Amino acid sequence: QSVLTQPPSASGTPGQRVTISCSGGSSNIGTYTVNWYQHLPGTAPKLLIYGDTQRPSGVPDRFSGSKSGTSASLAISGLQSEDEADYYCAVWDDRPNGWVFGGGTKLTVL
Amino acid sequence: DVLLVESGGGLVKPGGSLRLSCAVSGYAFRTAWMSWVRQAPGKGLEWLGRIISNTDGGTTDYAAPVKGRFTISRDDSKNTLYLEMNSLKTDDSAVYYCTADQNWANFFWGQGTLVTVSS
Repeated sequence: QSVLTQPPSASGTPGQRVTISCSGGSSNIGTYTVNWYQHLPGTAPKLLIYGDTQRPSGVPDRFSGSKSGTSASLAISGLQSEDEADYYCAVWDDRPNGWVFGGGTKLTVL
Repeated sequence: DVLLVESGGGLVKPGGSLRLSCAVSGYAFRTAWMSWVRQAPGKGLEWLGRIISNTDGGTTDYAAPVKGRFTISRDDSKNTLYLEMNSLKTDDSAVYYCTADQNWANFFWGQGTLVTVSS
């Protein structure tokens, strides 16, 4: 059972906007910035968003992050078939003094 | 380009040991904070532990499931990160990734190495 709670699945059609939520607590999201990762099976996870809202170089601006209190969200606009992947939120947590990941959300592009 | 390449995975019996390596290039390894993360079959990502740079103290932190069994170390002269795994259990079967951490994120990831613990 993950410290961070994500919906197990999400879906959308090409061109749609989809959001994925991540709920935590005061020792993690309430204190530290949130990161989001995209993971396609058989490949290395890829950092999509760091510092709640920042995109690393090369990540399209279709991906955006936000945070309020102890919850965060990843939004994907203009959904594309290649966005079909697993998405994870992650954040540092004072208890247990380490990184914690959400359980992951499997995004299906219909 | 930043490149992280894990090696050392394989099949090991329960109770056995294994040492994973992560060779880093194109990155300032000497000042890097590094982590290990794994993904068991059908499960999500799980952080195992990290080591900060020797210039910042070289200390380590571990997740509860592996504390006392796994040890993270580094050789700055070889730009290489290590994960020594002892008393392995079947639950430790997973793909193991090393990450280079910056801006409070696991910024760069390797392709992973598969560890299978089975009799």
